[in-house]
Amino acid sequence: DTEVTQTPKHLVMGMTNKKSLKCEQHMGHRAMYWYKQKAKKPPELMFVYSYEKLSINESVPSRFSPECPNSSLLNLHLHALQPEDSALYLCASSQEDRVRTEAFFGQGTRLTVV
Amino acid sequence: GDSVTQMEGPVTLSEEAFLTINCTYTATGYPSLFWYVQYPGEGLQLLLKATKADDKGSNKGFEATYRKETTSFHLEKGSVQVSDSAVYFCALFSGTYKYIFGTGTRLKVLA
Repeated sequence: DTEVTQTPKHLVMGMTNKKSLKCEQHMGHRAMYWYKQKAKKPPELMFVYSYEKLSINESVPSRFSPECPNSSLLNLHLHALQPEDSALYLCASSQEDRVRTEAFFGQGTRLTVV
Repeated sequence: GDSVTQMEGPVTLSEEAFLTINCTYTATGYPSLFWYVQYPGEGLQLLLKATKADDKGSNKGFEATYRKETTSFHLEKGSVQVSDSAVYFCALFSGTYKYIFGTGTRLKVLA
């Protein structure tokens, strides 16, 4: 099983709303990631959790708030977003391993901020 | 810093044509190299990988060889199908959770 599951698949929210994106993996991976991808661009790293601790925060605005409740789950809490935050949000996970370095991605959440 | 350079797209081919998508990288040490594929409206799928020099990754008819002397990891397929139409990303793992992606190459295969 090399699946990373993201919900919801699509989300439309107003600029005053609060919503959450969810991600789950059962591969025993200890690193989990949030990426943002704009149209026709590569993914951009937002956050990395390793062993449930925030390891990397790529200077993302505070209206994005990550949470890692346990080793299988990763959430991204959204509040007071701007229209320019509309994008595909991708979750990924990887093994903490020198050889098995590949990241596995979910299908993404297509977010539209209106 | 580490970087990945991919050929500009879009690449348009007829079905059964030979595909090459060029990828070169700049990195210190010996990074792992990957090709990911993204179909419309979906996430990234790992297509193939190579972890050391001269390794050949292969999957679904696609191949790429890790060439340290030319710092390249070109993607090839002998006979493309319409279903191969997608965006292809070359990437490297530079350590400490950092995946460096190329800009992506859009492939369109015509029947």
